[in-house]
Parts: sequence; structure tokens; C-alpha cells
Amino acid sequence: TTLTQSPAFMSATPGDKVTISCKASQNIDDDMDWYQQKPGEAPIFIIQEGTTLAPGISPRFSGSGYGTDFTLTIRNTESEDAAYYFCLQHDNFPFTFGQGTKLEIK
Amino acid sequence: QVQLVESGGGVVQPGRSLRLACAASGFIFSNYGMHWVRQAPGKGPEWVAIIWYDGRNKYYADSVKDRFTISRDNSNNTLYLQMTNLRADDTAVYYCARGVAVNSYQPSPFDFWGQGTLVTVSS
Repeated sequence: TTLTQSPAFMSATPGDKVTISCKASQNIDDDMDWYQQKPGEAPIFIIQEGTTLAPGISPRFSGSGYGTDFTLTIRNTESEDAAYYFCLQHDNFPFTFGQGTKLEIK
Repeated sequence: QVQLVESGGGVVQPGRSLRLACAASGFIFSNYGMHWVRQAPGKGPEWVAIIWYDGRNKYYADSVKDRFTISRDNSNNTLYLQMTNLRADDTAVYYCARGVAVNSYQPSPFDFWGQGTLVTVSS
């Protein structure tokens, strides 16, 4: 399953709402997850099964979608949200990732 | 707390072999499926392999099939990745990651990742 993630780069100011899209090449039900990665660090699990917030993650993050179209939304962005975000499908093997989105906070 | 610590990375010549290890602690290792995921410099992640909690089944990415072998030692809480016939495009940071599902063969995402170990394949 190919995941097409967009945009590749985006810039926001604190307080903005940010949306990142991930489209699957075939139906994956709700088997979509989202991760945040900062330079030199391991990825952090933020959304599982399309919409479920991972433990300990700020409610400013939310996920939506089902089937082939999914969205990660970050509300009221903060400087600490500056990171690389990527989607993962775990519906079938091989698991595949989106190409990633670099989020800059000005 | 959950800890995953990879080791074994380094610089290796093309065609040679290397074995990575991932020491797990802070959870019941034998209850969880475990994955290897790699990330080439400046690139997005690529899933490499999974081994189920009991070691009975494994799956591999096409890019590493027949060259890499994933295994685990549940008595020592350690995950392994044996890499053979290494190529330049295997150069990456290799992460081990824990699957979310407990005592299950259900594919699931990763909830914890290690810090990674860098493998550089170069002559």
C-alpha cells in the first residue's frame, strides 16, 4: 500500500491550526497511525487507528479519516510542535510510511 | 518505563555482514511483537521486519528479504537483526520498535522506539 503524504513542508505561526494529509492507494479501514520526530530523536507515537490519541499526547493533536483518506490536525500550534510528521499504515505487510511533512513554527 | 537500546551498528564494507541487537526492559518482552525500522539519512522511515511475540512468524520488506533475518531471545529480552550481503543502500539508522498488540498475531503500530544505531555500508 502506497501512502501519499502532503504537504512535504509547511510553515505556521503559534496559534495556527495545521492539517496534514495522508492518502492510501487502497482501503486500509482505520489502520492509519501518525508519528512525530524531532532531529536526532526517536519517533513518538501520537495517533493510532486513525483517530485515537496515544497515551500522554496533547489533545491539541487529533486524527480523522477512514478507508483511504486521513488527516492529522494540530490545533493552537506551539513552538514545540516544530518537527517532522509521518503516517504509517499497518493494515497489511509490508507496513509503509508516508514521505513525511516537515512543520516549521515561525 | 519501556526502554529499547540498540547496538551493533558501525561501518561495514559492501557484501559483508553485521548483527544488530536491541535490549528491551520495562515490559514483558515475550508478550509483544517486535519490529525493525530503518531511516536513511534525510529520508523517511522504511519498515524492515517483524517477529511475532512467540517468534513463530516473521515478515520482511522485499528490499531485505533473503538477506536479513530477524530473531529474538525471549529469555534474555533481546531482539536481533542479522544482516548479510550488505549494500550501500542499506545505510541507515536502524530502530527497533515495539508493536502495540499484546500476545496477538494482529498487525499493530509501534508505540515505543529505541534511539537507533547507525549502519554505514561503504568501501
